[in-house]
Amino acid sequence: EDKVVQSPLSLVVHEGDTVTLNCSYEVTNFRSLLWYKQEKKAPTFLFMLTSSGIEKKSGRLSSILDKKELFSILNITATQTGDSAIYLCAVGSGGSNYKLTFGKGTLLTVNP
Amino acid sequence: ETGVTQSPTHLIKTRGQQVTLRCSSQSGHNTVSWYQQALGQGPQFIFQYYREEENGRGNFPPRFSGLQFPNYSSELNVNALELDDSALYLCASSLDRGLAEIYEQYFGPGTRLTVT
Repeated sequence: EDKVVQSPLSLVVHEGDTVTLNCSYEVTNFRSLLWYKQEKKAPTFLFMLTSSGIEKKSGRLSSILDKKELFSILNITATQTGDSAIYLCAVGSGGSNYKLTFGKGTLLTVNP
Repeated sequence: ETGVTQSPTHLIKTRGQQVTLRCSSQSGHNTVSWYQQALGQGPQFIFQYYREEENGRGNFPPRFSGLQFPNYSSELNVNALELDDSALYLCASSLDRGLAEIYEQYFGPGTRLTVT
């Protein structure tokens, strides 16, 4: 059975801190790894990584995928209160029936 | 460009009843996936529809069924509701070009279902 494990499950930091969120996975027929931010309801797409060692970056957020060690990290620098959310890691797998398997998420709280 | 929309936003049902949730995919998208998100958990894959046919299913019983219409909108039907069906139901749309590509899924705001 496909498995995605995120750590830590929750994290409390102060504004300006840098955080690193972890995601490890075991899936059959890996195709992609995606990061989402979930504030109230709809998860919002952040990044998709498909090749090993490639870093994706958008502003203060960046992510890297290690396909050999089967993990990814999401870094957020200079955190702001607006970064407070649940960060979900999902792994895309399968051929014609591509599906996403999600981890439980990391609840990030950024205090002023 | 119109995003993914879902209706209703909230719903309260009684155990044993049936429910239908609706999803309109993002403009230009042809694939819809449904997920169940219980409190404190990540979304769990229910099934996916592509070209009006079910194209992959997670570990959910047959009382969870769906439809996709020619305009790519979709319905999720749940029969014989149980208390454990209380959750946020998310629909995600994507564009599958049929070339075995990898594509992002974009989520709607979800329907919060409470079964009492």
